[in-house]
Amino acid sequence: KAGVTQTPRYLIKTRGQQVTLSCSPISGHRSVSWYQQTPGQGLQFLFEYFSETQRNKGNFPGRFSGRQFSNSRSEMNVSTLELGDSALYLCASSLIRWGNNEQFFGPGTRLTVL
Amino acid sequence: TQLLEQSPQFLSIQEGENLTVYCNSSSVFSSLQWYRQEPGEGPVLLVTVVTGGEVKKLKRLTFQFGDARKDSSLHITAAQPGDTGLYLCAGASAMNYGGSQGNLIFGKGTKLSVKP
Repeated sequence: KAGVTQTPRYLIKTRGQQVTLSCSPISGHRSVSWYQQTPGQGLQFLFEYFSETQRNKGNFPGRFSGRQFSNSRSEMNVSTLELGDSALYLCASSLIRWGNNEQFFGPGTRLTVL
Repeated sequence: TQLLEQSPQFLSIQEGENLTVYCNSSSVFSSLQWYRQEPGEGPVLLVTVVTGGEVKKLKRLTFQFGDARKDSSLHITAAQPGDTGLYLCAGASAMNYGGSQGNLIFGKGTKLSVKP
C-alpha cells in the first residue's frame, strides 16, 4: 500500500508570494491533517479535512488555508508569504475510527521563504 | 491550552546504553502516540497507547502510558546507532469528539544520538 505522498518536496519562494502544497493520502484514508514543523515551535497543527470539509483548525492566521477534493487529496495554500513561514509542512492521513487517532505522515514539503 | 513537555531535549549516548524519554502533561489524553523522525522525513508512527497503565513493547523499545493518562515514557534497552533520530510524543485530546482525528498535540521532541 502506497504511503502518504507530498509534492513538491522542496520549494523556495520570496516574501509576498503565495504557495500551494499538495498531499495524497493513503488509499482509503479520508481524513487529512496538515502540520507546520519548525525548530523553535516543533510540530503545530494547522487544520484537518474530512469529506471535503474542514473539521478542525489550529491557531494560524487566515493566510493559511486548505481544501480537500472528493478523492481525499488535499492542498494547502499560504498567501503573502513571510520569512517566518519557512518550515517543513507535513501532511498526515488517517482512517476514521472512534478512539483511534493514528496518523500516518508524508515526507513533508520543505518551504524556504527568502 | 494543552501542552506536552518532553524531556530530555537532547540525548547523546554510547551504543549499548539504556535510556528513557519522558512525556508529561497536566491534561488527560484519550490516546498517546510515539513517533520517530529522521532528518528530511516525516514522523513514523511507532506505537499508540490508549489505556491508563498500558505497557507496550516493540523489540528493544518499551512504551508506558501513565495511570491517569497524562504522561508516558519510552525506554530503549541496549541502544543502537540505528535508533538515532527525533522521538516525538503526541496526544489526542480527551475532548475530541465526532471521530475527529486531526488535532494531535505534539511535544517538541527528544533528539537522540547513539554513537557506535
